[in-house]
Amino acid sequence: DTEVTQTPKHLVMGMTNKKSLKCEQHMGHRAMYWYKQKAKKPPELMFVYSYEKLSINESVPSRFSPECPNSSLLNLHLHALQPEDSALYLCASSQSPQQGYEKLFFGSGTQLSVL
Amino acid sequence: SQQGEEDPQALSIQEGENATMNCSYKTSINNLQWYRQNSGRGLVHLILIRSNEREKHSGRLRVTLDTSKKSSSLLITASRAADTASYFCATVLTSGGSYIPTFGRGTSLIVHP
Repeated sequence: DTEVTQTPKHLVMGMTNKKSLKCEQHMGHRAMYWYKQKAKKPPELMFVYSYEKLSINESVPSRFSPECPNSSLLNLHLHALQPEDSALYLCASSQSPQQGYEKLFFGSGTQLSVL
Repeated sequence: SQQGEEDPQALSIQEGENATMNCSYKTSINNLQWYRQNSGRGLVHLILIRSNEREKHSGRLRVTLDTSKKSSSLLITASRAADTASYFCATVLTSGGSYIPTFGRGTSLIVHP
């Protein structure tokens, strides 16, 4: 199994809603990532989890709250988002967070619209 | 922060032609990777070239790396309509002991049948 599975594929939410994005991989990877991508722009790193611990937070607003319940799962909890948070949210994983040679495996993303 | 800068930003060619995309970066690297993204989908890893390598091939893909110029190029030979996608180079920055894959702005390739 070389897949990273993200759910849901599409999400529309109001600014007062609370929702969660989910990501799952069964490749035994120990690094997992959340990226945000606006249209026609490159993915921008939000968070990195290494061995289930948050190792990088790229100054992301607190309305985004990541969680790594175990080595296979990664969640992104959303609360009180703004319309400018509308974007494609991508989850990725890599075998080891400390090698620097690892390729990333991406999920197909969640297209989020905030109304 | 953005590390790589791809050039051109957009490329439109006919099927059968070759497509060349360039990437420049700013800091020292361990490796450079190229990814492909179809519209609205996740990125797919194409090829990785290490800092001590100068050229690498994979099928119709050829990647070169010039660390003295801090640049890389991706050549797709005999392009097909199915190659239509955005292509990103990615370099790995270090931060607090972790390795952070960082993407350039990308090249949007359109291959006309």
